[in-house]
Amino acid sequence: DTGVSQDPRHKITKRGQNVTFRCDPISEHNRLYWYRQTLGQGPEFLTYFQNEAQLEKSRLLSDRFSAERPKGSFSTLEIQRTEQGDSAMYLCASSSPQPLETQYFGPGTRLLVL
Amino acid sequence: DQQVKQNSPSLSVQEGRISILNCDYTNSMFDYFLWYKKYPAEGPTFLISISSIKDKNEDGRFTVFLNKSAKHLSLHIVPSQPGDSAVYFCAASETYGQNFVFGPGTRLSVLP
Repeated sequence: DTGVSQDPRHKITKRGQNVTFRCDPISEHNRLYWYRQTLGQGPEFLTYFQNEAQLEKSRLLSDRFSAERPKGSFSTLEIQRTEQGDSAMYLCASSSPQPLETQYFGPGTRLLVL
Repeated sequence: DQQVKQNSPSLSVQEGRISILNCDYTNSMFDYFLWYKKYPAEGPTFLISISSIKDKNEDGRFTVFLNKSAKHLSLHIVPSQPGDSAVYFCAASETYGQNFVFGPGTRLSVLP
């Protein structure tokens, strides 16, 4: 297994455009998380899936953000009508609950909104 | 209001010496803590964890200490190596919960 992968690694877009990111978790992991990280800060939790069910969403996740995990495997994070404040690193992590939950992160997608 | 704080943005240590990275938290419900290391252009990499039933966990050169009464944990790296130079994040959750809260990170530089 090659770990958590994310695509694309970098995305530059113009304000107002929609973008979609993909995350492929470690295959046996049933939990998948999305985080956002800005410069000088730690990752901030956005949302979390257990299998295909989205169980928790942060208040950071505005209506312009939507995440899916349709078959309980890969996940997508879409940002509609991007704003300059959306510029950040978007990190995906996966985990299984046993033994103790440890989240394994992908390399991230760096988004720049011009 | 930050629930997980890492008050030292950066730390420089000589190779071979001990590195001590500190983390403080405010939420008394947190009982599971992790340390991650992050190199530029990569995602965070898990280092070591500790649950509240312990006050120490050791893995090779890395030891995490937890002081629940002080709501404080620390990561000790002995001996420090140049390859340890990275940003270190402390993270906490409630009862192995799903929503991990991360601190802002401490940049460690190990000087040869």
